[in-house]
Amino acid sequence: DGGITQSPKYLFRKEGQNVTLSCEQNLNHDAMYWYRQDPGQGLRLIYYSQIVNDFQKGDIAEGYSVSREKKESFPLTVTSAQKNPTAFYLCASSIPTGGGNSPLHFGNGTRLTVT
Amino acid sequence: GQQLNQSPQSMFIQEGEDVSMNCTSSSIFNTWLWYKQDPGEGPVLLIALYKAGELTSNGRLTAQFGITRKDSFLNISASIPSDVGIYFCAGQLSGGGADGLTFGKGTHLIIQP
Repeated sequence: DGGITQSPKYLFRKEGQNVTLSCEQNLNHDAMYWYRQDPGQGLRLIYYSQIVNDFQKGDIAEGYSVSREKKESFPLTVTSAQKNPTAFYLCASSIPTGGGNSPLHFGNGTRLTVT
Repeated sequence: GQQLNQSPQSMFIQEGEDVSMNCTSSSIFNTWLWYKQDPGEGPVLLIALYKAGELTSNGRLTAQFGITRKDSFLNISASIPSDVGIYFCAGQLSGGGADGLTFGKGTHLIIQP
C-alpha cells in the first residue's frame, strides 16, 4: 500500500540537543510538507518542498531545518534554537497541480517531548 | 496570513444525534477541505470541495462550499462512536499548492454514551 511513514512515533530528547524526524513517502508525490500541531491549535506549516533539492520556509520555520535529497524523503531537524519544541509533528505530501486540486495526505505523526 | 474561524471548538453529543460545524473566513478560498483526526494519528481527508455552492456527501457526511466562497459547513448525520475525533477545515487559495493552505483550529467531537 502507498502511504507516508513517519518515525519514530514517540521521541524524547534533552533540551539543547538537535533531533531529526523521519518522513518517507511511496506515493510518488512531488511536494512534501512539515506541520506542527499543538493542543487546541490548527496545523502550522514549518517547511515545504515542491521538488527535490528545493524547499521553502513556512509560517514557523525558525529553529527548524530540512533537506530534500530524494523525492521520497523529507527529514525535519528540530534544532536547539527552537524555543518550544515539544509538539506533535505531521508530515504530508501532495501532487502540486497549481490549481488547488491537491489535497494533502498525512503521515501518522511523531510526538516529540523535550525536557 | 489568512485566518479561518472554525466553530464550535468542541461538541458533546449523544450517539445518534446529528452534528453540524462550520468554518468562516474574511478571505475568499477556491477550495475547501474537511479532515478528521483520530487521537495520535494524522488527519485523513473526508471531503474536498472545489466549486462555490457545491454540496458533496460521503456516507453520513455532507459538506458544502459556501456561495460567497468565504465559508463551508460539515454535517454528520446519526453520529456513532467512531465519529469521535477532531475535525479540521482547510481553505486553499487559487493557484496555490498546499503551501497556500490554511487550517482551522478544529472541532473536537465527543460522543456521550
